[in-house]
Amino acid sequence: AAGVIQSPRHLIKEKRETATLKCYPIPRHDTVYWYQQGPGQDPQFLISFYEKMQSDKGSIPDRFSAQQFSDYHSELNMSSLELGDSALYFCASTTGQGGSPLHFGNGTRLTVT
Amino acid sequence: GQQLNQSPQSMFIQEGEDVSMNCTSSSIFNTWLWYKQDPGEGPVLLIALYKAGELTSNGRLTAQFGITRKDSFLNISASIPSDVGIYFCAGLPLFRGSQGNLIFGKGTKLSVKP
Repeated sequence: AAGVIQSPRHLIKEKRETATLKCYPIPRHDTVYWYQQGPGQDPQFLISFYEKMQSDKGSIPDRFSAQQFSDYHSELNMSSLELGDSALYFCASTTGQGGSPLHFGNGTRLTVT
Repeated sequence: GQQLNQSPQSMFIQEGEDVSMNCTSSSIFNTWLWYKQDPGEGPVLLIALYKAGELTSNGRLTAQFGITRKDSFLNISASIPSDVGIYFCAGLPLFRGSQGNLIFGKGTKLSVKP
């Protein structure tokens, strides 16, 4: 079965650079979530989109922005990168039906040097 | 804010042993999910629970949605080496606007006994 696809899998950037992470949800999933996971931590919710509109916002820094496109893929844009932004970034998708479980991609490992 | 207390934090298993872990909260949850995460990979959904009292199995895994809707447990029977990893519980709170903003437990790390 098709899963959530994230790209790139690994990304190395320097401080103050920008990065763009991409997420392609499972077909027919209209809802996308972004999570950040530091080493040894549980995933922290950043932002979510439903039908191309932002639906909820978590602990996403102002330096980050995201959007969902007409084909339901989503991009997380990160600017003025800081060392503390180094983490695994996961995208998860689900249908818009209440309570439907989230299915996660394999993540993008971002390293800021 | 709402929190999930997941225990134990870590445990060592010997092949063939049964394993049990749980999550509790002071808040009521609509949905409980259990995920397993291998190093460097995304969390993989194991079991989803939607009704208080619901008991669901997935192979050697069994999970239950607590009657009070404030807790859930996951059991693994006859563990095998590939069961090692980090198990997360996640709950969808009753009173929350977004249907997808899960609350995660801190995880239970399963390792093999040396």
